[in-house]
Amino acid sequence: DTEVTQTPKHLVMGMTNKKSLKCEQHMGHRAMYWYKQKAKKPPELMFVYSYEKLSINESVPSRFSPECPNSSLLNLHLHALQPEDSALYLCASSQEAPDKFLYGYTFGSGTRLTVV
Amino acid sequence: QKEVEQNSGPLSVPEGAIASLNCTYSDRGSQSFFWYRQYSGKSPELIMFIYSNGDKEDGRFTAQLNKASQYVSLLIRDSQPSDSATYLCAVATQGGGKDRASKIIFGSGTRLSIRP
Repeated sequence: DTEVTQTPKHLVMGMTNKKSLKCEQHMGHRAMYWYKQKAKKPPELMFVYSYEKLSINESVPSRFSPECPNSSLLNLHLHALQPEDSALYLCASSQEAPDKFLYGYTFGSGTRLTVV
Repeated sequence: QKEVEQNSGPLSVPEGAIASLNCTYSDRGSQSFFWYRQYSGKSPELIMFIYSNGDKEDGRFTAQLNKASQYVSLLIRDSQPSDSATYLCAVATQGGGKDRASKIIFGSGTRLSIRP
């Protein structure tokens, strides 16, 4: 299995809703990432998990809450989002220990989120 | 100053010609460099990585790295219409987490169009 699986593929939510994005990989990768990508912009890093512990939070608003229940699973909990949070949310994983970066990420197909 | 810079394009190249994509980066400590291809509405796909000065070839793709000039390039030989996409240059930098987790920073991407 060489894939990173993200669910759901599409999500529409209201500003008062609570929802979660899910990411799963079974490649034994020990680092997992959340990125946000707006249209015609590059992916922007949100969070890094290294060995199931939060390692980097790029000053993301608290309405985004990551969780790593085990080495294969990464969640992003969403609450009280704003319309400007509408974007493609990408999960990625990498095989290396995070202090050595040789082979890059494997990205999931993303969740397209629309906040109404 | 942006950490990773690319010409946004669009770069238009005739079918069968060589497409040349360029990227500069600001962090002299960066050690790993990547090229991702992203089709519209899809997630980025890793096509090349390089971490030693010089050229690295993989099929029709050649990545070139010059650390002294802080310059990375991607050449696509015998360009095909299916190569039309946005190409993201990405650089691995040392992160700020307590376990010094690395992160990948993306350039804004170059839109490549192959004309028949």
